[in-house]
Amino acid sequence: NAGVTQTPKFRILKIGQSMTLQCTQDMNHNYMYWYRQDPGMGLKLIYYSVGAGITDKGEVPNGYNVSRSTTEDFPLRLELAAPSQTSVYFCASSHTTGLAGGYEQYFGPGTRLTVT
Amino acid sequence: GQNIDQPTEMTATEGAIVQINCTYQTSGFNGLFWYQQHAGEAPTFLSYNVLDGLEEKGRFSSFLSRSKGYSYLLLKELQMKDSASYLCVAPSGNTPLVFGKGTRLSVIA
Repeated sequence: NAGVTQTPKFRILKIGQSMTLQCTQDMNHNYMYWYRQDPGMGLKLIYYSVGAGITDKGEVPNGYNVSRSTTEDFPLRLELAAPSQTSVYFCASSHTTGLAGGYEQYFGPGTRLTVT
Repeated sequence: GQNIDQPTEMTATEGAIVQINCTYQTSGFNGLFWYQQHAGEAPTFLSYNVLDGLEEKGRFSSFLSRSKGYSYLLLKELQMKDSASYLCVAPSGNTPLVFGKGTRLSVIA
């Protein structure tokens, strides 16, 4: 199992450009998440999905869009990039939520994005 | 939502034992997680406690007291590679996990 993979690892964008951060998991997890982490801070949830075709906003969704057409893929789209979106982006997945177990999240290696 | 309190920073000596405490308040207990995050890397899962008591996994152990809203992570035989942030996460309901800054542990020689 590759686990959670993310591409690209690094990217520099100019203000106003757009890009898609890719995330794929091969663990057949229902739940997938996108977080951003600014230097010295905790992770902030951008969007999450509880299954194919279902997405929901997290704490900081403005400036981002997501889609979940398959169980495996959960791309994050940045439209009109701004310097405030300079951050490290982590994708994660989990089997389920709740006390049934399989709740732990597995993270991809991250995408380091700079907007100048 | 969840409210977590854990120390911001700790320093310990290589080979020693360190205990990282966490108190929490949640609206509907749904287990408690500990994650480790090395600088510049993604968090990795360490433990999940849903019942009271101590769970041991090699050099790492995690304790939970639901009545006290209290947990700790115990690291034994500290190694330099244990220098990292340790995140205590107590979700409420079936909501996505909320990760704070955690406790930054520095292991010194």
